[in-house]
Amino acid sequence: DIQMTQSPSTLSASVGDRVTITCRASQTINVWLAWYQQKPGKAPKLLIYKASTLEGGVPSRFSGSGSGTEFTLTISSLQPDDFATYYCQQYNSYSYTFGQGTKLEIK
Amino acid sequence: EVQLLESGGGLVQPGGSLRLSCAASGFTFSSFAMRWVRQAPGKGLEWVSDISGSGSNTYYADSVRGRFTISRDNSKNTLYLQMSSLRGDDTALYYCAKGYCSSTSCYAGHWGQGTLVTVS
Repeated sequence: DIQMTQSPSTLSASVGDRVTITCRASQTINVWLAWYQQKPGKAPKLLIYKASTLEGGVPSRFSGSGSGTEFTLTISSLQPDDFATYYCQQYNSYSYTFGQGTKLEIK
Repeated sequence: EVQLLESGGGLVQPGGSLRLSCAASGFTFSSFAMRWVRQAPGKGLEWVSDISGSGSNTYYADSVRGRFTISRDNSKNTLYLQMSSLRGDDTALYYCAKGYCSSTSCYAGHWGQGTLVTVS
């Protein structure tokens, strides 16, 4: 199975900061990567698919990049609503593994 | 509007069985792959199983293969997950999700709110 490694596991930041979360795959997954946001007690929400395509309705401060084995999720200017846990998931080949998650906390 | 409503969760003893359902609305159900994803309490997300729109292709995580069966009834717009030989590490919130596919590469675009399975 393909292993997905996110870093950091926890990130402390302030409103207005630019933050980047990294996701690395143990083998190439081309561009078949999605990013999800999850808030406590809520279902995950799709942010980005195919590594860099923004889901409809998602604010443009979110962006994704990468291909092959290294990917990033960037939030250009953190807003209060963005403090949550973020997961990457590869969907290049079954099993469709998730990263372990990055908890974005208020500094 | 896409809606996914899971049901069927509950408390079950180890070794027992349970069937989860996910009622879908707001889209042409038979045209989309569907997925189950679970989340153990305080833990991350784990992909469980996928099924193609026709139901002819199914995929499972190693952790559930041989114990869980995914199926769908396109006439009822309903997805199922039959779980048997349940273990403590199957305790989780189970989400169903709608799949968007490019060939065989599918991501989950819409998620239900989940149904809780407790094995104890």
